[in-house]
Amino acid sequence: DAKTTQPDSMESTEGETVHLPCSHATISGNEYIYWYRQVPLQGPEYVTHGLQQNTTNSMAFLAIASDRKSSTLILTHVSLRDAAVYHCILSRGYQNFYFGKGTSLTVIP
Amino acid sequence: EAAVTQSPRNKVAVTGGKVTLSCNQTNNHNNMYWYRQDTGHGLRLIHYSYGAGSTEKGDIPDGYKASRPSQENFSLILELATPSQTSVYFCASGDDNSDYTFGSGTRLLVI
Repeated sequence: DAKTTQPDSMESTEGETVHLPCSHATISGNEYIYWYRQVPLQGPEYVTHGLQQNTTNSMAFLAIASDRKSSTLILTHVSLRDAAVYHCILSRGYQNFYFGKGTSLTVIP
Repeated sequence: EAAVTQSPRNKVAVTGGKVTLSCNQTNNHNNMYWYRQDTGHGLRLIHYSYGAGSTEKGDIPDGYKASRPSQENFSLILELATPSQTSVYFCASGDDNSDYTFGSGTRLLVI
């Protein structure tokens, strides 16, 4: 019951900006868009989340399409530490997250 | 610093034995979750809880029980462990529309 679609893998070079896409065509009006990232042997780490407006924090910029059917996580000046699996998830708050396989980001030195 | 702590970090159990995985959170979150993660899959939800005394079934609850004796603690119980339950288990805590915090995981091997 995958609610989001992401590419399996992406690649970037250190110092570049990378755009990680996520499609969620069946999103409901009260569902938030969350992004988490996970490195091997660790639990997922919160990156950002949003409902309708674009959001930004120290980790990333989240661009949400006006119809909310897609979003893009933008990482600027990527470093080797940004190499991880990035999960795009929909949540209605108290309900659970559904984690798919995510996008594996490789960062080349 | 608010955190989610899982214990043990690693566990080897024998088939048919009882296994208890523990999770403690200092975030004062109402909701807590247990997931398992296997190679080639994302995290799959086993059980979750809205608060002390409550447990709810997730997507793959068969073979697992959960217990939430307090706001801070949430346990996952395998009454009769099987090799198919070999996995990495993650606990998480969160509140409505807030960021969710995950533990570092428990690596369980059932032989």
